Amino acid sequence: GAVVSQHPSWVICKSGTSVKIECRSLDFQATTMFWYRQFPKQSLMLMATSNEGSKATYEQGVEKDKFLINHASLTLSTLTVTSAHPEDSSFYICSARSVIAGGHEQFFGPGTRLTVL
Amino acid sequence: SQQGEEDPQALSIQEGENATMNCSYKTSINNLQWYRQNSGRGLVHLILIRSNEREKHSGRLRVTLDTSKKSSSLLITASRAADTASYFCATTIGGANSKLTFGKGITLSVRP
Repeated sequence: GAVVSQHPSWVICKSGTSVKIECRSLDFQATTMFWYRQFPKQSLMLMATSNEGSKATYEQGVEKDKFLINHASLTLSTLTVTSAHPEDSSFYICSARSVIAGGHEQFFGPGTRLTVL
Repeated sequence: SQQGEEDPQALSIQEGENATMNCSYKTSINNLQWYRQNSGRGLVHLILIRSNEREKHSGRLRVTLDTSKKSSSLLITASRAADTASYFCATTIGGANSKLTFGKGITLSVRP
């Protein structure tokens, strides 16, 4: 089956620093990748959708200058949380989808837990 | 805004019993999916049911879809302690640029 990895699995940083999270599709080419955020005991909220080679589309209320998304290749997307603050502490999950093979299923990564002190 | 709304929000049952979880949504969909999430972990895809399907089975899972009522149910038969997790329904709307919209989730506890 399709595998999506995320790195790191957890990160602790000081307030004001930037953190980069990687999302990789290991055995398929992901034309589209999605970034979600999940606060404790809550559902997943879509932050942005990125298509390879183009700018990400952000959901309403998500600051594009704070959450920088790069999808430079068909197997890698990165989310950079710039100038992180404690309220950015959350569980960040990516998913990847390939329509090359005609499918529309999303495959989820294991998530990255970000704690900002 | 969230498309899916699951109920109950929390469910506690004894091992061996069946667990039924419901999801309602607001607009027409392409398909509906159910996911499981163990505490602090990623999502595991359980089953996808398309808008033109009414019922699907996968092992101990049975999913129904009623598009007239805009609702779906997930039945887990003969539950096990390992089924303890949060369960989410997610709907897909639209074509090639479709995206998943998740419900709030149901916390299932299966007592050994």
